Amino acid sequence: AAGVIQSPRHLIKEKRETATLKCYPIPRHDTVYWYQQGPGQDPQFLISFYEKMQSDKGSIPDRFSAQQFSDYHSELNMSSLELGDSALYFCASSSTGGLQGTQYFGPGTRLLVL
Amino acid sequence: QKEVEQNSGPLSVPEGAIASLNCTYSDRGSQSFFWYRQYSGKSPELIMSIYSNGDKEDGRFTAQLNKASQYVSLLIRDSQPSDSATYLCAVNIGAGGSYIPTFGRGTSLIVHP
Repeated sequence: AAGVIQSPRHLIKEKRETATLKCYPIPRHDTVYWYQQGPGQDPQFLISFYEKMQSDKGSIPDRFSAQQFSDYHSELNMSSLELGDSALYFCASSSTGGLQGTQYFGPGTRLLVL
Repeated sequence: QKEVEQNSGPLSVPEGAIASLNCTYSDRGSQSFFWYRQYSGKSPELIMSIYSNGDKEDGRFTAQLNKASQYVSLLIRDSQPSDSATYLCAVNIGAGGSYIPTFGRGTSLIVHP
C-alpha cells in the first residue's frame, strides 16, 4: 500500500539559511500534519491542513510556514534556521472518512543545522 | 504535568514473556487512543487504535482502555527482540473536528534473548 512520502530524507543547512520540506500524503487522504521530534523527545505537533486550509496550529515558530497545495501535498518552509531546529521532521496524513484521528507517518526528514 | 504520561523505562523483558506498557491521560473528554512503535531514528508506526472501553486484540498485541480510570495499556505477548523499540501512546479529544493527538514521551522496551 502507498505510504506517506517525504523529501528530502536528509538535509544539512547552515544557520540563518532556509529549508523546504515536502510531504506527499497517502492517496485520498485529505489531512496533513507536521511534527518536529528532537532527540529523546516525543513528536511535537507543528501545524495541520485539511482540504488545503490550515486546520490546527501547534508550536510552530513564526520563522516557519506551511501550506497544502491543490494536489494535497504539503511543504514546510523554514527560514532563519537556528541550531535548535536540528531535529526529525515528520509528516503524517489521515482521512476524515477513516478511523477518527488515525494518522500514518512518513519516514521523516532529518535536518541538521550547522 | 504532561497530559499523557508514560513511564520512560526502559522496560526489560525476556524473550517470550508478556510486555505490559501503560499510559494515563488527563482529559476526560478524550475519545481516541493510539499506540505507535518507533525504532530509533525512524518514524512512528501505528500498532493499535482503540475507542471503546475494554480489550482489543490484534495478533500478539492487545490494547486495553479504561476511560473511568483514564488509562490505556498495551500488552505484547510472546515478546521478540524485534519488538525492542520505543512505544508512544497518543490520545486525542476529537472535539470540534480536531484530531490532533497528544503524545506521551514513550516507553523504551528492551526484549532480551
